[in-house]
Amino acid sequence: EVQLLESGGDLVQPGGSLRLSCAASGFTFSSYAMTWVRRAPGKGLEWVAAISGDGTYIFYRDSVKGRFTTFRDNSKNTLYLEMSSLRADDTAVYYCAKNFRNGMAFYDWWGQGTLVSVSS
Amino acid sequence: ENVLTQSPGTLSLSPGERATLSCRASQTVARNALAWYQEKPGQAPRLLIYGASTRATGIPDRFSGSGSGTDFILTISRLEPEDFAVYHCQQYVESPPLTFGGGTKVEIK
Repeated sequence: EVQLLESGGDLVQPGGSLRLSCAASGFTFSSYAMTWVRRAPGKGLEWVAAISGDGTYIFYRDSVKGRFTTFRDNSKNTLYLEMSSLRADDTAVYYCAKNFRNGMAFYDWWGQGTLVSVSS
Repeated sequence: ENVLTQSPGTLSLSPGERATLSCRASQTVARNALAWYQEKPGQAPRLLIYGASTRATGIPDRFSGSGSGTDFILTISRLEPEDFAVYHCQQYVESPPLTFGGGTKVEIK
């Protein structure tokens, strides 16, 4: 069965950095685009970033461009989200999600999420 | 950006009742590229519906999706205890940023 396991969430001060990981299993990781989605307290889901299966194509939402970097290591079946210059409004549960298939950017499997809290 | 508005924000119902959740888009969602997810505290969100009306693998037939253009509906025909959760819609037509609605919480009355 497909499993996605996020880790790396923590309490960090404004301006700080954090790296999230998402370990994948149960499918051919390199064949699928992967996406990061977050859920801030009291708000809806928010698309953050996406990366193609081979890592060639990467997209970010405007509010994280220049601060967040997503990449993947297909030899380790792991997705990463490097976050820097963190702000209070980045506080959220961060989910990694598997794209259904190429060209169809909805998500058939999600991890349980990892909490990032940005506060002094 | 195609803004999705879900209503109501909260739906208070009893087990066995029918739930009707709305998702309205600010622009036409081409090719009915709309998905619905269920989210419970501490659990991974679960894909319910894609293509506006296609049930994902393993989803019970009490869940159904309908609609087209800018107006979409998720219906739960008879609520089971495990169905009380938050439901999100998402459009996946446009290139990023893809957008989600604000969610509808279905709570026990």
